[in-house]
Amino acid sequence: QVQLQQSGAELARPGASVKLSCKASGYTFTSYWMQWVKQRPGQGLEWIGTIYPGDGNTRYTQKFKGKATLTADKSSSTAFMQLSNLTSEDSAVYYCAREYDVAMDYWGQGTSVTVSS
Amino acid sequence: QMNQSPSSLSASLGDTITITCHASQNINVWLSWFQQKPGNIPKLLIYKASNLHTGVPSRFSGSGSGTGFTLTISSLQPEDIATYYCQQGQSFPFTFGSGTKLDIK
Repeated sequence: QVQLQQSGAELARPGASVKLSCKASGYTFTSYWMQWVKQRPGQGLEWIGTIYPGDGNTRYTQKFKGKATLTADKSSSTAFMQLSNLTSEDSAVYYCAREYDVAMDYWGQGTSVTVSS
Repeated sequence: QMNQSPSSLSASLGDTITITCHASQNINVWLSWFQQKPGNIPKLLIYKASNLHTGVPSRFSGSGSGTGFTLTISSLQPEDIATYYCQQGQSFPFTFGSGTKLDIK
């Protein structure tokens, strides 16, 4: 069965960077886009970007260019998102989700990022 | 841009409710609907505007194409209390609607 296992919660200082992971299993990792979504406490869903692990092709929403960097490691079937120059606005839960037929059909459990001094 | 309405909705058990999503440009049928229960991850309900995702109860249905879309929940159940989001997949960025919070009267 398809599973997306995300890395654990992060506590980071302002200005630091964090690298979140999303390990996929139960399907061919390189054949599906992997999307990333942000959700701040009590707020809605915000699309960050997507990566195609087969060739590393990425797309980002303008707001996250320079903030988020998506990569993928085919050997471990793991997608990564690095968030840089963290501020309090980056405190949120971040989800990875597999894209099938232009829909996010399987989601990871989410990774909480807290930015605090 | 996706304009979703209403932002909140209160209905009685057994009611039929409708949530709408309007796209600022033609997105054909590339629209998904998600359900997010409090404290849980989002779950796919409907893809390509009207296709029910595996395991989703048949009381959920989606319709529309182009710029106007609806999610209908018939015979409302207690477990349907959640926030619902639409998302377009026609072109990057794949924007979400602002969400509709549904509760039971």
